[in-house]
Order: sequence, then C-alpha cells, then structure tokens
Amino acid sequence: NAGVTQTPKFQVLKTGQSMTLQCAQDMNHEYMSWYRQDPGMGLRLIHYSVGAGITDQGEVPNGYNVSRSTTEDFPLRLLSAAPSQTSVYFCASRQSYNEQFFGPGTRLTVL
Amino acid sequence: QKEVEQDPGPLSVPEGAIVSLNCTYSNSAFQYFMWYRQYSRKGPELLMYTYSSGNKEDGRFTAQVDKSSKYISLFIRDSQPSDSATYLCGGGTDKLIFGTGTRLQVFP
Repeated sequence: NAGVTQTPKFQVLKTGQSMTLQCAQDMNHEYMSWYRQDPGMGLRLIHYSVGAGITDQGEVPNGYNVSRSTTEDFPLRLLSAAPSQTSVYFCASRQSYNEQFFGPGTRLTVL
Repeated sequence: QKEVEQDPGPLSVPEGAIVSLNCTYSNSAFQYFMWYRQYSRKGPELLMYTYSSGNKEDGRFTAQVDKSSKYISLFIRDSQPSDSATYLCGGGTDKLIFGTGTRLQVFP
C-alpha cells in the first residue's frame, strides 16, 4: 500500500493563477479531508468527504473547491491563488472513526 | 473561536519528567478524539485515538478524555529528548477538528 499520496510536493504560484493539488489513497477509505497548516495555527480543516459524491465545508473553505468522483481521489482546487493561501497542505484519509492517515504534504507559495 | 482549544506552549521539561498536555473542545457531538505528534517539517503521525471517556494507555503515553467537562489530555511518562515535537489534539465525528498544537521541548 502506498497509503496517502500527494502531488506536487512543492509549488510556487503567482497571484490569480489556479491549480489543483492531487490526493489519492489506496486503502479504500470512506473519509478524506484537506487541511492547511500555518505557523501557530495548527491544522485547519478546509473541506472533507464522507464518500464518493459527498463533500462538505470545513473551517476555512473560502477560495477552495473539492470534488470526490471516486473513492480513491480527492483533489483540491485553488480557483484564484492569493498570498494568504501560502501554506502547507495535508490530505488525510480514514475508514469511519478510526486512525486517520496523513499524506506527506504540499508546500505552496503564492507570490 | 475554534472548536478545539490548545495551549500553544512552548513547554520545556527535563528528561524523565511526566508531561501533561491538555485540550478543551466545545462541540458536545464529538465522538472520537486523537493525539498526533509532528516533528519539524514532517507530517503528523498518530499517537493514540479513543472513543470513550476514560483512559487509554500505550507504552509511555496515556490519553484521557472527560466528555462531561469536554477535556482531553495526553500524559507522557519518562519523557525523552526524542519526544521534543509539536503535539496536536483533535476531535470530531465526520469532520475532525484539531487544536493549534503544543510545542514540547525535553532537555537532557
């Protein structure tokens, strides 16, 4: 099992550009989530999904879109990047109320 | 206001000390709770998770949940310099919410 994979590892964007952060898991987990981590802010939930076709907003959803067309994939789209979206992004997955596995993270810088 | 509150520290203790890390949460619907450890520039790694009030022990680590007071604790016995990291508490149901993390430094 590869676990939770994220691509890219690093990305630099200019303000106003759009991009998609990829996340995939091969554990057949129902639940998938996206978090961002900023210094002193811990992990903040952006969006989450409880199964294919079902997504919901977390604590800080503005400026981000998600979709869940398959169990395995949960991409995060930045519609128009802003410097405030400079952060480390973590994808996570779990099976119901069990251990949540995190991916290695994507470091995003928006200039 | 965040649904999970955590003292950011830093907390500095000598090697061998018992460490107590604490969180509070506000959402009474939360059903399960977890503690993660995160080293600098790494992803979070799970230490423990639990569903019920009471204690859960794993080696030097004990997680404690008191649902009546909405309080979550992690105790580390015989702390080691390798325990120096940021500790994140979390809770929730379908969505998992985390605190801001507590930075722990264990000095020799």
